[in-house]
Amino acid sequence: GESVGLHLPTLSVQEGDNSIINCAYSNSASDYFIWYKQESGKGPQFIIDIRSNMDKRQGQRVTVLLNKTVKHLSLQIAATQPGDSAVYFCAESPNSGGYQKVTFGTGTKLQVIP
Amino acid sequence: ETGVTQSPTHLIKTRGQQVTLRCSSQSGHNTVSWYQQALGQGPQFIFQYYREEENGRGNFPPRFSGLQFPNYSSELNVNALELDDSALYLCASSLDRESKETQYFGPGTRLLVL
Repeated sequence: GESVGLHLPTLSVQEGDNSIINCAYSNSASDYFIWYKQESGKGPQFIIDIRSNMDKRQGQRVTVLLNKTVKHLSLQIAATQPGDSAVYFCAESPNSGGYQKVTFGTGTKLQVIP
Repeated sequence: ETGVTQSPTHLIKTRGQQVTLRCSSQSGHNTVSWYQQALGQGPQFIFQYYREEENGRGNFPPRFSGLQFPNYSSELNVNALELDDSALYLCASSLDRESKETQYFGPGTRLLVL
């Protein structure tokens, strides 16, 4: 498959370590945030989301942190595995009254070193 | 797998031609959104269809148009193709048009314009 991460910042992590991927968003009106994982040749896959009335949400091996003061979002992956290698996108959606426009960030490529 | 399917998987066209891409949404989802993803970038929102009508549009010219059918499947049409239209075209379906509903992406159609 084709790479979607040719010009993206890259994070290299040893297998078993924790990964932290950061994202800055720009729209203060955004109230819904999503992290997607995209493997080469595939569409984005939903990982976890968080609403603006929360600052932390946990899933299976993943945690999303939201800091609205500095407009910062992070994704933490515990015990990173080779299958976690992919491009990760944060995305934001404003409360636009029934219109679901999702704006994606530029993405971070995660490389897991076995 | 998300249950969202797209066809064709790959397509080669020449400048000035027209193209139609197809998407079948996940069962029960009435909203379909289309995105363009250039190599090395995040997906860019094109438009959204809800119950057969365009429900919102990103910053794309009118030569990008769409349709949604009674079974909620959708088409993306691009007229007068330009070289910069070469990209991965993604569709995403969601349960409803509200911005708080998670979007599930298909695998995409890779379009190459020569």
